[in-house]
Amino acid sequence: EVQLVESGGGSVQPGGSLRLSCVASGFSFSNYWMHWVRQAPGKGLVCVSRINGDGSNMNYVDSVKGRFTISRDNAKKMVYLEMNSLRVEDTAMYFCARDSSWSIDYWGQGILVTVSS
Amino acid sequence: DVVMTQSPLSLPVTLGQPASISCRSSQSLLYSDGNTHLSWFHQRPGQSPRRLIYKVSNRDSGVPDRFIGSGSGTDFTLNISRVEAEDVGLYYCMQGAYWPYTFGQGTRLEIK
Repeated sequence: EVQLVESGGGSVQPGGSLRLSCVASGFSFSNYWMHWVRQAPGKGLVCVSRINGDGSNMNYVDSVKGRFTISRDNAKKMVYLEMNSLRVEDTAMYFCARDSSWSIDYWGQGILVTVSS
Repeated sequence: DVVMTQSPLSLPVTLGQPASISCRSSQSLLYSDGNTHLSWFHQRPGQSPRRLIYKVSNRDSGVPDRFIGSGSGTDFTLNISRVEAEDVGLYYCMQGAYWPYTFGQGTRLEIK
């Protein structure tokens, strides 16, 4: 059974940093692109970043470029999102998700990030 | 970025009746691999999204056959043949042909 479990969320002041983690199980982790998708309270879904199977290719949505960094450790079956210079508008539920042939087939339960003074 | 536009945004439906959600993309979603990368998701309150349909019309395992995806190019539709109580929630279309993947605004299905 595919499982994705996020951790590392919490409350932080504007300008602060957080590191989200996601541990995967139930599939051959290194064979899949992985995503971070966020959903602001009461709002829609936004793909924030993705990383390929061997960690050599990363993409970001424009609103987080230069502030967020995605990475992975295939030995630990983990994917990370390092978030710096956080803004109030980064407040959201962050989901770890698996890519399957240019779609997203599995999602974690999500972790809440709140940026507030 | 590719803009995904869903309609309607609110969809009240009587139990047992059909429902239809439209999704339009600002660019063709036909990819160089010959596939059209349009997916549909259902999200219940407090839960993560669940994929229902991928590549326009392919149902995921365990998805009831009352969910039917169709369309091509830039125009897509999710039809529910007979709405059941468990179908309430938000429905999103998503394109995966271009980065960043983008979602529609969401359609809220409720029971009348």
